[in-house]
Amino acid sequence: AQSVTQPDIHITVSEGASLELRCNYSYGATPYLFWYVQSPGQGLQLLLKYFSGDTLVQGIKGFEAEFKRSQSSFNLRKPSVHWSDAAEYFCAVGAGVGGGADGLTFGKGTHLIIQP
Amino acid sequence: EAQVTQNPRYLITVTGKKLTVTCSQNMNHEYMSWYRQDPGLGLRQIYYSMNVEVTDKGDVPEGYKVSRKEKRNFPLILESPSPNQTSLYFCASSSRTEAFFGQGTRLTVV
Repeated sequence: AQSVTQPDIHITVSEGASLELRCNYSYGATPYLFWYVQSPGQGLQLLLKYFSGDTLVQGIKGFEAEFKRSQSSFNLRKPSVHWSDAAEYFCAVGAGVGGGADGLTFGKGTHLIIQP
Repeated sequence: EAQVTQNPRYLITVTGKKLTVTCSQNMNHEYMSWYRQDPGLGLRQIYYSMNVEVTDKGDVPEGYKVSRKEKRNFPLILESPSPNQTSLYFCASSSRTEAFFGQGTRLTVV
């Protein structure tokens, strides 16, 4: 069965510093991979997604992620964080029929704290 | 505008009192699903539906029911809520390439 591991429950970063959030997945085929962000009291917003092709994908709000098949990883990065990036971040693998977004398995989330 | 609408946003109820959380989408998606979010556990799928009159259990279906009589609506039913169903609930409507989430329903069962 598919699974997603986000090893870091909490991460604290200074404003303006770079960020990397880790995500490892387990899936039997080529995965569909997603990163979502949840701001306090809000729903889930899609940051970026990977299906195939270029392994470095660009998303909204200046985020990017790199798919590494050999490491079963899909880490999220941002060169310079802003206070507004403080939120909960979820990595997900498409686990529906054929592995698409119709049926997502989520990691447990990483809570990002931004220090002034 | 693509939209998934859940109601209510907040609900406090008592143990055993039946309730329904509604979910509606305007994207003509065949696939819809319900998730619950609990601290430290991420989001877990409760039920999903691949089309009208086609529903199936997700990872945590106990204590929940769903129905899919129309393509746009996918209500979540708690026939006899218990305190362990206190949670944040999300409805999702999906194409193959993207899932759209509602704003969430925060349910408290006392």
